[in-house]
Amino acid sequence: GAVVSQHPSRVICKSGTSVKIECRSLDFQATTMFWYRQFPKKSLMLMATSNEGSKATYEQGVEKDKFLINHASLTLSTLTVTSAHPEDSSFYICSARLSSGIRETQYFGPGTRLLVL
Amino acid sequence: GESVGLHLPTLSVQEGDNSIINCAYSNSASDYFIWYKQESGKGPQFIIDIRSNMDKRQGQRVTVLLNKTVKHLSLQIAATQPGDSAVYFCAENEENSWGKLQFGAGTQVVVTP
Repeated sequence: GAVVSQHPSRVICKSGTSVKIECRSLDFQATTMFWYRQFPKKSLMLMATSNEGSKATYEQGVEKDKFLINHASLTLSTLTVTSAHPEDSSFYICSARLSSGIRETQYFGPGTRLLVL
Repeated sequence: GESVGLHLPTLSVQEGDNSIINCAYSNSASDYFIWYKQESGKGPQFIIDIRSNMDKRQGQRVTVLLNKTVKHLSLQIAATQPGDSAVYFCAENEENSWGKLQFGAGTQVVVTP
């Protein structure tokens, strides 16, 4: 159980285009999902918290107009990188929070590697 | 500021030996800790978690120890196997932070034959 998927797994796009990444919880409902960014050999950096039915909460320094988040249902959150530039190239990972009694564990998707040319 | 960090960036372990990965945290308000394993090009995989009201928790071949006095967390892997080679992250959750996790820098574990 607790499987999270991401689509696409990797994407290459031209500078100036927008890219949408989907994050799905396959076998549980998640009112909260998180989006992270990870550079090579670095730790995960939290970008934003995605809440079903409400606006996302962005971490300091993350441009909300650049990284649009939509949490349309209890199993789907999307991250759209708008007007992508080469510096947006990175590994983007989502997680979904599973609440089970007193435990609230985050389960991660496999990640999406974005390359902007 | 508050942070979670690791003592060793790289750990080389011989196959069959036990591994110990350490993590220091400074946020005294943290009440939930998780260890994740990340293989190259993949997302982090949940290994084991522990709440602050516990000192020790065991899973399959893994044990997490929590020492709240010195704010130290460790992950022990018994009989390390080649498939254990990965980067291991500790993560902490502060009470009432809506589930947000702070990740440590990570430790690369390399299992040698």
